[in-house]
Amino acid sequence: DQQVKQNSPSLSVQEGRISILNCDYTNSMFDYFLWYKKYPAEGPTFLISISSIKDKNEDGRFTVFLNKSAKHLSLHIVPSQPGDSAVYFCAASDSNYQLIWGAGTKLIIKP
Amino acid sequence: KAGVTQTPRYLIKTRGQQVTLSCSPISGHRSVSWYQQTPGQGLQFLFEYFSETQRNKGNFPGRFSGRQFSNSRSEMNVSTLELGDSALYLCASCRDRGLVETQYFGPGTRLLVL
Repeated sequence: DQQVKQNSPSLSVQEGRISILNCDYTNSMFDYFLWYKKYPAEGPTFLISISSIKDKNEDGRFTVFLNKSAKHLSLHIVPSQPGDSAVYFCAASDSNYQLIWGAGTKLIIKP
Repeated sequence: KAGVTQTPRYLIKTRGQQVTLSCSPISGHRSVSWYQQTPGQGLQFLFEYFSETQRNKGNFPGRFSGRQFSNSRSEMNVSTLELGDSALYLCASCRDRGLVETQYFGPGTRLLVL
């Protein structure tokens, strides 16, 4: 039973437009959420996070929104750039510091 | 500062064999976590070591084990390999427990079981 779900295996977006990646979770005990970015042949790198006490966190072109009632979070990238093409993972943390990961969404930015 | 290194990068084994993977964390990092990544499954947490003690364990069979040495280097062992163990095994280190944002990943060891 997947506690963190990324239902879109891939997403294609035109350069300069907004990319929206979605993530759903089932465990209401998760208190911290993170997005990671992964290029081929490299390990994931931390991108942005949000605490369950907030509903929005912004860092440059990246914004994460959290809707606790819907158990849903999303990552917005504006504007999308070619270097953003990668696999994006959503992860949730519980009180044991254990990260539960989604299956990832492959983002392709078209020139 | 050197990043997280994992050896070997690629490995081919046959069913029934055992394998040991190695992870050297960033200098000064005391927490090491291991993950298994398979297509369509994302990253599955295997275990976390901190100060040579296993602090957390994911839902994997006992064939998967690990240890951490006094210099924080960690090894992961898989015995009696099965075809389904073919995956990318990622190691991540951070300075202390709970600092998930500053968890740095290595490039992984890709294991193929034939």
